[in-house]
Amino acid sequence: DAKTTQPPSMDCAEGRAANLPCNHSTISGNEYVYWYRQIHSQGPQYIIHGLKNNETNEMASLIITEDRKSSTLILPHATLRDTAVYYCIVRVGAGSYQLTFGKGTKLSVIP
Amino acid sequence: KAGVTQTPRYLIKTRGQQVTLSCSPISGHRSVSWYQQTPGQGLQFLFEYFSETQRNKGNFPGRFSGRQFSNSRSEMNVSTLELGDSALYLCASSLAAIPGDIQYFGAGTRLSVL
Repeated sequence: DAKTTQPPSMDCAEGRAANLPCNHSTISGNEYVYWYRQIHSQGPQYIIHGLKNNETNEMASLIITEDRKSSTLILPHATLRDTAVYYCIVRVGAGSYQLTFGKGTKLSVIP
Repeated sequence: KAGVTQTPRYLIKTRGQQVTLSCSPISGHRSVSWYQQTPGQGLQFLFEYFSETQRNKGNFPGRFSGRQFSNSRSEMNVSTLELGDSALYLCASSLAAIPGDIQYFGAGTRLSVL
């Protein structure tokens, strides 16, 4: 699986959009970008994933650049409950059954 | 639909003992993966089971083992516990049948080895 690079920490004001970047410059054509988050001492929670196109669900939006070397997770209106560690993971869609977690980005939502 | 259930939530053991942790996947999910999380090493993959067969294994010693039953429930066992085995053990389940599969995690079992 390709390696990812994320900033170690970010702050966001409550109610504002949180934009979390991820670099995956060695991604190959069949690798998906997944985002998970982990609130303190809980299990990781799936947020969103995508292959090429931008994706949106009830939690977030995922913007993948055209060359697929980077992506941004957008939480449109951050709340205090969004304070967590966010992990960007690149994973082959088929034949790879493990998630390789990096250190992630610690997002702090500030009142 | 019920989520992934892990039991027990907390466990205290002493060095040299063995421990068994249990994971019940989401109904219909046939793949179960196990992860270890420590402050120093972060989240690390232990192994994955699909239809009672281990398909993938991480870089952990043989003291760590697992199995999956016909109803997809899984157990992991750690023998001869060491202090360094203190960690949050997480289980994740998925359909594991299509590309772009999603893993759903349980709340974890926190193991303390004294």
